[in-house]
Amino acid sequence: AAGVIQSPRHLIKEKRETATLKCYPIPRHDTVYWYQQGPGQDPQFLISFYEKMQSDKGSIPDRFSAQQFSDYHSELNMSSLELGDSALYFCASSGPGQGSYNEQFFGPGTRLTVL
Amino acid sequence: AQRVTQPEKLLSVFKGAPVELKCNYSYSGSPELFWYVQYSRQRLQLLLRHISRESIKGFTADLNKGETSFHLKKPFAQEEDSAMYYCALSPYSSNTGKLIFGQGTTLQVKP
Repeated sequence: AAGVIQSPRHLIKEKRETATLKCYPIPRHDTVYWYQQGPGQDPQFLISFYEKMQSDKGSIPDRFSAQQFSDYHSELNMSSLELGDSALYFCASSGPGQGSYNEQFFGPGTRLTVL
Repeated sequence: AQRVTQPEKLLSVFKGAPVELKCNYSYSGSPELFWYVQYSRQRLQLLLRHISRESIKGFTADLNKGETSFHLKKPFAQEEDSAMYYCALSPYSSNTGKLIFGQGTTLQVKP
């Protein structure tokens, strides 16, 4: 079965730079979720999209923005990076097809390191 | 406030011993509860959810609304069960299905 794809897998940036993380959901999945997991912490919900519209928002800084495109892939844009943004960023998808209702399938994550 | 608490960071047991990973939640409504597992160098994957009432890989979990708990149990641990386990809550008030995770428990099954 197809899985959620995230790119890049690793990213190193300097403070105040910008970063773009990409997420490609499982085919036919229409909902994408973003989570942030800091070192030694649990994953924290950032934002979600359903059918290309923002559906929920969590503890996402104003410096971050995200969108879902017509092909359902999503991008998380992060500006003015801070040291505290260093974390593992997970993307998950859900929808018709693979999985039961509301079951989220996770990607491998993008590890962002801010120096 | 919505919160999931997993009191144990690490649980170490011998193969064949019973396992119970604790999970307590705080939520005023009726949430949906999940257990996710992450094996070494693999991605997070759903283990089970309370509404399905299934037994997956020998694991079961019962939602106790009185105690607001959703403990994960297995009568006889296997070495391949060694992994990180996350309890998660999805509030019904949110149709989006976002997950609120606990801190995770590392299960170590020794031979």
